[in-house]
Amino acid sequence: AQSVAQPEDQVNVAEGNPLTVKCTYSVSGNPYLFWYVQYPNRGLQFLLKYITGDNLVKGSYGFEAEFNKSQTSFHLKKPSALVSDSALYFCAVRDSGNTGKLIFGQGTTLQVKP
Amino acid sequence: KAGVTQTPRYLIKTRGQQVTLSCSPISGHRSVSWYQQTPGQGLQFLFEYFSETQRNKGNFPGRFSGRQFSNSRSEMNVSTLELGDSALYLCASSATSGTDNSPLHFGNGTRLTVT
Repeated sequence: AQSVAQPEDQVNVAEGNPLTVKCTYSVSGNPYLFWYVQYPNRGLQFLLKYITGDNLVKGSYGFEAEFNKSQTSFHLKKPSALVSDSALYFCAVRDSGNTGKLIFGQGTTLQVKP
Repeated sequence: KAGVTQTPRYLIKTRGQQVTLSCSPISGHRSVSWYQQTPGQGLQFLFEYFSETQRNKGNFPGRFSGRQFSNSRSEMNVSTLELGDSALYLCASSATSGTDNSPLHFGNGTRLTVT
């Protein structure tokens, strides 16, 4: 069965510093991976996805993610964090079979301090 | 293009009642999915509809049901509400049903509180 894990409940970084939010996955077959962000009282916003190709995927708002097949990881990164990046981040994997269903990690709260 | 619209934004119901939530997808999107979000269980998949057909159903009791109309709008219904049904219910739409890995576009959700 497909699954994702986000090992950190919360990540704290100072504004201007690089940030990493970790995600590991377990899939049968090819992994189709996604990152979403959720601000308070809002729905999820799509940041980026990995389907195939380059291991470094660039997304919205300056975020990027590094796909590592040998470590089964898909970590979200940003070179310079902003206070406005503070939010809840979800990693997700598409379920197997011909479906749009996503399986989400538990989420990681990112806190960026001025 | 208008985003995914969910109504109402907030609902307060009493145990035993039933509730219907509505979702209007992005224009042209034919797939609609529903997720339940709670602090304890995180995001859990409820069901997915594509062209009025349920394609997938999550591990929820039969009290949870849904449907999709010919204009792709979707509703979900929860009958005989329980306290544990209190959650943020999120609707998401996409152009297809997974075949091209198009991302899900989420609405802002309906916050259901059961007292």
